[in-house]
Amino acid sequence: DAGVTQSPTHLIKTRGQHVTLRCSPISGHKSVSWYQQVLGQGPQFIFQYYEKEERGRGNFPDRFSARQFPNYSSELNVNALLLGDSALYLCASSLVGTGQSGANVLTFGAGSRLTVL
Amino acid sequence: DAKTTQPPSMDCAEGRAANLPCNHSTISGNEYVYWYRQIHSQGPQYIIHGLKNNETNEMASLIITEDRKSSTLILPHATLRDTAVYYCIVRVGNDYKLSFGAGTTVTVRA
Repeated sequence: DAGVTQSPTHLIKTRGQHVTLRCSPISGHKSVSWYQQVLGQGPQFIFQYYEKEERGRGNFPDRFSARQFPNYSSELNVNALLLGDSALYLCASSLVGTGQSGANVLTFGAGSRLTVL
Repeated sequence: DAKTTQPPSMDCAEGRAANLPCNHSTISGNEYVYWYRQIHSQGPQYIIHGLKNNETNEMASLIITEDRKSSTLILPHATLRDTAVYYCIVRVGNDYKLSFGAGTTVTVRA
């Protein structure tokens, strides 16, 4: 079975540019979350989407945006890149989103490593 | 979400059991304990989770104290491939996010 797939795996941008990262969830998973992991730190939550609607947002500026498509894949967009945006961007999918009872296990992809010069 | 406290690092001998502690003294009744690990430069990998009872799967065992204020992840026979950062996270079942702390860096030595 295919896991969570992310593209591209690595990319280099310059300050001020825009970047789009893509994520395909596990088949049957309807929820996608995005996390940013700066070198030496744990992942930090950016967004969660469930059934194509934003269900949660972390403490990130409006330069960060995302969307989920009818096939449940997702894009993360970052505008006006700063040096501090250099990080590993992780996508995770799960069967359920908010409002569902019980445990909710997230499966992560391998990430997209963004370097901003 | 309740905060967790983990030791920053620990070493383990290959083939021996690794016992990773986690304190979550402010955990509430509807919060689950999750364990994930992250091998260098890869995405976090789910290991196990539990609410009240001890749990075991093919990767590990999770022991939760009766008062739920702490837990221990047990890797029964550590291998070199178990070298990773291990994260203990408590989270309401239907919450939309995982809050990762610094985790415990586990080094398995031959």
